[in-house]
Amino acid sequence: EDKVVQSPLSLVVHEGDTVTLNCSYEVTNFRSLLWYKQEKKAPTFLFMLTSSGIEKKSGRLSSILDKKELFSILNITATQTGDSAVYLCAVPNYGQNFVFGPGTRLSVLP
Amino acid sequence: DAGVTQSPTHLIKTRGQHVTLRCSPISGHKSVSWYQQVLGQGPQFIFQYYEKEERGRGNFPDRFSARQFPNYSSELNVNALLLGDSALYLCASSLAADYEQYFGPGTRLTVT
Repeated sequence: EDKVVQSPLSLVVHEGDTVTLNCSYEVTNFRSLLWYKQEKKAPTFLFMLTSSGIEKKSGRLSSILDKKELFSILNITATQTGDSAVYLCAVPNYGQNFVFGPGTRLSVLP
Repeated sequence: DAGVTQSPTHLIKTRGQHVTLRCSPISGHKSVSWYQQVLGQGPQFIFQYYEKEERGRGNFPDRFSARQFPNYSSELNVNALLLGDSALYLCASSLAADYEQYFGPGTRLTVT
């Protein structure tokens, strides 16, 4: 069965800290992995990764994919209170259904 | 440009009733997917429609059905509501079936 696992499930840090969120997956016919940030309601798209070893970067956020080991990491440097959210990892499977992980709840304290 | 819109934003129903949730995709997007998100969990895939045809169905009972209209908007219908159907229902649109998905604000359904 296709699955996506994220760790840790929750994390509490202080402003300025750097965090690393993990996502591992087992899906048939892997094509891409996506990261989303969910604050109140709608998840907002962060990154889509398709190639191993190529880092995607947007401001203080960056992500990289390892297709051999079947995982991805999302890094956030110099965290701010506005980074507090649930970070979701999703992988489309063979049936083109998006399989989501349970999410990592990040809390950034001032 | 308008993002994905969903209506209503909140809904309270009683057990046994049925509900219809609506979604309008981003202009130009032809694929719509529906997800159920229970508190504390990631979204669970329900349906995907592309060009008005069902492209994927998750592990949900037949009480759940959906359709996509010629203008690419979509409806999710749930019959014979159960308490366990209480959740945030998210709609996501994408250019095509396997492109990145953009989510709407969701409909919070409470079944009492």
